[in-house]
Amino acid sequence: ELKVEQNPLFLSMQEGKNYTIYCNYSTTSDRLYWYRQDPGKSLESLFVLLSNGAVKQEGRLMASLDTKARLSTLHITAAVHDLSATYFCAVYLYNNNDMRFGAGTRLTVKP
Amino acid sequence: EPEVTQTPSHQVTQMGQEVILRCVPISNHLYFYWYRQILGQKVEFLVSFYNNEISEKSEIFDDQFSVERPDGSNFTLKIRSTKLEDSAMYFCASGAGTVTYEQYFGPGTRLTVT
Repeated sequence: ELKVEQNPLFLSMQEGKNYTIYCNYSTTSDRLYWYRQDPGKSLESLFVLLSNGAVKQEGRLMASLDTKARLSTLHITAAVHDLSATYFCAVYLYNNNDMRFGAGTRLTVKP
Repeated sequence: EPEVTQTPSHQVTQMGQEVILRCVPISNHLYFYWYRQILGQKVEFLVSFYNNEISEKSEIFDDQFSVERPDGSNFTLKIRSTKLEDSAMYFCASGAGTVTYEQYFGPGTRLTVT
């Protein structure tokens, strides 16, 4: 059965610091998605990574995908309070045309 | 910009009652999904739907659950006899099924079973 593992599950950062969230998955897939969720809200799409070696950046967030290692990373640069949220990675399953989510990383950025 | 909508935003029901959660996917999308998220936990896949039939369902999606696309715009999730453990946020998503296979999520319906 597919496993999607994120770590850390909880992350408390100081503003201005850098950190990386990791997403490991157990099956072959070359489509990986990152979502942001604010408390009580829906899932906001951040990145769609479509191939091995894909790298995408938006503001202080950068996501990458290594399909051979079955690993995606979400790197946070110079964190600001507005980035506080829960971040989910999700792996696309071709056979089923659906996605399976990791447990989420709850990020808190402190002043 | 087109978006997925869901109604109601919050539904409170008594255990054993039937509930229907409604979703209007993005109009040109062909793939439809339901997910649930128990408070503070991860998003769990329930079911995917394409070409008027279920294409995949998880072990959570037992006989108490059913989905329907009654007309050209709505996509519904029915829970026949709700249990306390069905209390969760239910998200509908839709996708065009092209290139990125990206799914777009609705705002969710919070179901509370008492």
